[in-house]
Amino acid sequence: QSALTQPASVSGSPGQSITISCTETSSDVGSYKLVSWYQVHPGKAPKLMIYEGSKRPSGVSNRFSGSNSGNTASLTISGLQAEDEADYYCCSYTRSSTYVFGTGTKVTVL
Amino acid sequence: QVTLRESGPALVKPTQTLTLTCTFSGFSLSTSGMCVSWIRQPPGKALEWLARIDWDDDKYYSTSLKTRLTISKDTSKNQVVLTMTNMDPVDTGTYYCARMGADCYSGENWFDPWGQGTLVTVSS
Repeated sequence: QSALTQPASVSGSPGQSITISCTETSSDVGSYKLVSWYQVHPGKAPKLMIYEGSKRPSGVSNRFSGSNSGNTASLTISGLQAEDEADYYCCSYTRSSTYVFGTGTKVTVL
Repeated sequence: QVTLRESGPALVKPTQTLTLTCTFSGFSLSTSGMCVSWIRQPPGKALEWLARIDWDDDKYYSTSLKTRLTISKDTSKNQVVLTMTNMDPVDTGTYYCARMGADCYSGENWFDPWGQGTLVTVSS
């Protein structure tokens, strides 16, 4: 059972902004500021989109941003594009020296 | 450029042992701070972290699967091997290896880049 809960689905029209939440449900999860986010397209390798809560790797569009508030981390996609349609997962290190992924969110571009 | 590629059997029978190999290039696991993880994704389900091995041969396992998993490395071949015993149909899924994005002196880290994954089906 995941210690990170995400909404099952989020949708938006092209050009709009959407936000995906990732809420800690277990005290075993470590510092929430170090959450990473991954984009998964069917049949393709997962891609790192955000690390350390809000840092964007080289090559990732600046339309993707990360933040956190309390026990919830968030991924915001602004200027939504058709290519953003994918599954998104948050991930955090735990106090048990393991890693836990969120439940996953399917993003649909209407 | 860092690349990783997973290989192994596409089909295993229940109760068998699965052996997967991650062959990588662009870095060395003998370099201080380097580490590699295995992650899987059952069809239609979430990603699940399985195990991590560090440059100094420290190993970490999923709490729920640690009795079934063994991770090892062959530095000379640039390979990391994962074995999972007593395979069950619920273990069907795509298995990925990934390098950790930062040095592994501390656990807080991320996965980057990932291999393309290898689909493993468990069926008799």
